[in-house]
Amino acid sequence: IVLTQSPGTLSLSPGERATLSCRASQSISSSYVAWYQQKPGQAPRLLIYGASTRATGIPDRFSGSGSGTDFTLTISRLEPEDFAVYYCQERITFGPGTKVDIK
Amino acid sequence: EVQLVESGGDLVQPGGSLRLSCAASGFTFSSYWMSWVRQAPGKGLEWLANINLDGTKKYLVDSVRGRFTISRDNAKNSLYLQMDSLRADDTAVYYCGRIIGGYDTRDYWGQGTLVTVSS
Repeated sequence: IVLTQSPGTLSLSPGERATLSCRASQSISSSYVAWYQQKPGQAPRLLIYGASTRATGIPDRFSGSGSGTDFTLTISRLEPEDFAVYYCQERITFGPGTKVDIK
Repeated sequence: EVQLVESGGDLVQPGGSLRLSCAASGFTFSSYWMSWVRQAPGKGLEWLANINLDGTKKYLVDSVRGRFTISRDNAKNSLYLQMDSLRADDTAVYYCGRIIGGYDTRDYWGQGTLVTVSS
């Protein structure tokens, strides 16, 4: 399975909505879809698992959705600390990441 | 508080060996599958290996199978990655992670340990 993330870079301003896409090369179980946030010099942080369940301590501005081959991570209103790289994952496969940077 | 602390990263020559350790605390280590993931400089995340609860089932990515070995010691709450025949393209930060049962997702990660393979 290959995961493709788009866009590669998303330039937005604080307060805006971010929509990140993750597409699988074949249909996958949503139980195994997760999203991570990674900031420079830090380990990845789990945001969403099971495609739509927020991990412990994750603010509700982060939400996940999707099924089959198409999955989405939405950040409803970007906070300054949200500018980072986001990876989707299906079991042992990671997507290449989407960088969300400040416009 | 769940904590994972990796150690053992170093500068090593091509063909050399290293053993990484991951010390776990704040949870019942023997109740979780564990995993190693690495990240080459400026690159994305690459899954390396998973190990089951008692260490009897091990899964490794093709690129390291036969060179790397994953193991665990539940009495010591520790996860290990033995790396042999190291190559320049093994240069990366190596993370250990705890796997959520039923989701094959890593919910807690260590801070990582840097392995540099260079002459």
